[in-house]
Amino acid sequence: GENVEQHPSTLSVQEGDSAVIKCTYSDSASNYFPWYKQELGKRPQLIIDIRSNVGEKKDQRIAVTLNKTAKHFSLHITETQPEDSAVYFCAAILYSSASKIIFGSGTRLSIRP
Amino acid sequence: DAGITQSPRYKITETGRQVTLMCHQTWSHSYMFWYRQDLGHGLRLIYYSAAADITDKGEVPDGYVVSRSKTENFPLTLESATRSQTSVYFCASKGQGGLGDQPQHFGDGTRLSIL
Repeated sequence: GENVEQHPSTLSVQEGDSAVIKCTYSDSASNYFPWYKQELGKRPQLIIDIRSNVGEKKDQRIAVTLNKTAKHFSLHITETQPEDSAVYFCAAILYSSASKIIFGSGTRLSIRP
Repeated sequence: DAGITQSPRYKITETGRQVTLMCHQTWSHSYMFWYRQDLGHGLRLIYYSAAADITDKGEVPDGYVVSRSKTENFPLTLESATRSQTSVYFCASKGQGGLGDQPQHFGDGTRLSIL
């Protein structure tokens, strides 16, 4: 079946450094790619998303890039801060079909002071 | 967001029992979703509903039943619980339009343990 691979599963970076999380999807029809942040014991919350007609999107310290040909997309967090510590999930979605919502397995990001 | 609430927050039950998880949203969102979250698997879609009286399967529907008689409620039932259904369950909702038009809003989750 369709799947989304997310790497790495854990990531530790020094405060102030950048963090990059990568996802690869298998369904070439996927056309919407959101990223969620989930703090310990909390609900997932959308932090940024991108559609397949866009190659890059940025929101302050967070950016997402998409390579449709290679079927991979990445989350970039710059100038990391302690509050960035959380689990991050990517997802690949077919815009018109709720049945094709596939999440990655998550990346636990830790920011070292 | 207080607009979507799940109950109970925690539930312990035994194998073979029926258990129902409730989800209620106050936004009149068209779409509602049920996910389970397990270590190493992230979030997996169980069932979703595009509108009242319309439901459809997601990635892992076996062993679960849903209904949507009212727009605001989307209960998830495990008719005969198994240990493999021990998980954290999240309900989510979103408004009309394609899945990229508006974000999904998640509830706080229900931690279900089946002994």
